[in-house]
Amino acid sequence: QKEVEQDPGPLSVPEGAIVSLNCTYSNSAFQYFMWYRQYSRKGPELLMYTYSSGNKEDGRFTAQVDKSSKYISLFIRDSQPSDSATYLCAMSAGAQKLVFGQGTRLTINP
Amino acid sequence: DARVTQTPRHKVTEMGQEVTMRCQPILGHNTVFWYRQTMMQGLELLAYFRNRAPLDDSGMPKDRFSAEMPDATLATLKIQPSEPRDSAVYFCASGLEVVGLQYFGPGTRLTVT
Repeated sequence: QKEVEQDPGPLSVPEGAIVSLNCTYSNSAFQYFMWYRQYSRKGPELLMYTYSSGNKEDGRFTAQVDKSSKYISLFIRDSQPSDSATYLCAMSAGAQKLVFGQGTRLTINP
Repeated sequence: DARVTQTPRHKVTEMGQEVTMRCQPILGHNTVFWYRQTMMQGLELLAYFRNRAPLDDSGMPKDRFSAEMPDATLATLKIQPSEPRDSAVYFCASGLEVVGLQYFGPGTRLTVT
């Protein structure tokens, strides 16, 4: 079993829909949680960063961490075609060594 | 606009040849990471450095891969000899240890025939 599990998709939704992306993990020592967005043939771009449990909102994006369930989520409101990308969750126990999920490929259809 | 740079962006080589990839981390960052990304395995950590010192290279095939930081502005990843199974996109990332974030470069797309 991998330390971080993420459904690779693909996930296809219509423009304007709310998107929910999720990861589960097994290591209870993880304290730092991140979401990266990766466009085709580009490097991963840091999107959201959360420390420990709770919610964080940035524009149309909301990151949630539930440490009791070992479950993290990224919500995208009013999704746009420009949000079409692969979304990777990543987490660490604080030593800077990130463990990544497999990535979920998302397509927003106009 | 500070960003991580990587060269070359694309490399096609024949099996058995040496490949050198270079990375310039963001100025002031004290950690540097090398990753390999494939469809099957996703992002795999190969090696990372703190203040130019190697901390962990357990993800790297030791017999053919080597990573170094000759100075604070340059990190290198070498493969010698290269094999077709090394074909992948290699990313460099840098960060500030105290913050715990990593910023990725555009990657080097390596094809070994």
